[in-house]
Amino acid sequence: QSALTQPASVSGSPGQSVTIPCTGSSSDVGSYNLVSWYQQHPGNAPKLIIYEDTRRPSGVSNRFSGSKSGNTASLIISGLQAEDESDYYCCSYVGTSSLEFGGGTKVTVL
Amino acid sequence: QVHLVESGGGVVQPGRSLRISCTASGFAFSTYSMQWVRQAPGKGLEWVAFIRYDGGNAYYADAVKGRFTISRDNSNNMLYLEMNSLRAEDTAVYYCAKVLKQYQMLNYYYMDVWGTGTRVTVSS
Repeated sequence: QSALTQPASVSGSPGQSVTIPCTGSSSDVGSYNLVSWYQQHPGNAPKLIIYEDTRRPSGVSNRFSGSKSGNTASLIISGLQAEDESDYYCCSYVGTSSLEFGGGTKVTVL
Repeated sequence: QVHLVESGGGVVQPGRSLRISCTASGFAFSTYSMQWVRQAPGKGLEWVAFIRYDGGNAYYADAVKGRFTISRDNSNNMLYLEMNSLRAEDTAVYYCAKVLKQYQMLNYYYMDVWGTGTRVTVSS
């Protein structure tokens, strides 16, 4: 059981926006600006798409953005495209010399 | 081009040991901290271990602490994971990953380059 909670699935139509929440606690998500997000297509390695809560690595589409409020971080995918259909994982430093991944969210493009 | 290639996976009996490796190329390996992350069949990602760029500090997930050892050979651009007392629940694809910026500790853990993974199956 992950300490970071994500919905198992979210869906949206092409062009819409979807938001994936990642809920932690004051000991992890709420304490540090240290949440990251990874995209993983089936059979492939994960890809970093957001770090430091809101920053995007070079080369990552600006349709991906991150935010945080209290103990919940969120990944927002705007202008949903077919290629965004994938699994998404949040990750946080938990302050006890440890990292924690969320359980993952499957995004379906309708 | 930055590249990570894992090797050494396979089928191993419960209670036995296995060492997997990760060969790095295309970047100054000795200046980047590295990590191992695993993914059990049909499951999500699970952080396994972190090692500082100079090998000075290592951290482990509770699930593997005392059984697994992460190490590195900066002279040969190699990362290792020695796995002892293996259990069925250790069955997974194991990925090595590079940390985003140089000279970072665990609190700056972001993994920007990943290998393709090596599969470890623990079964009798």
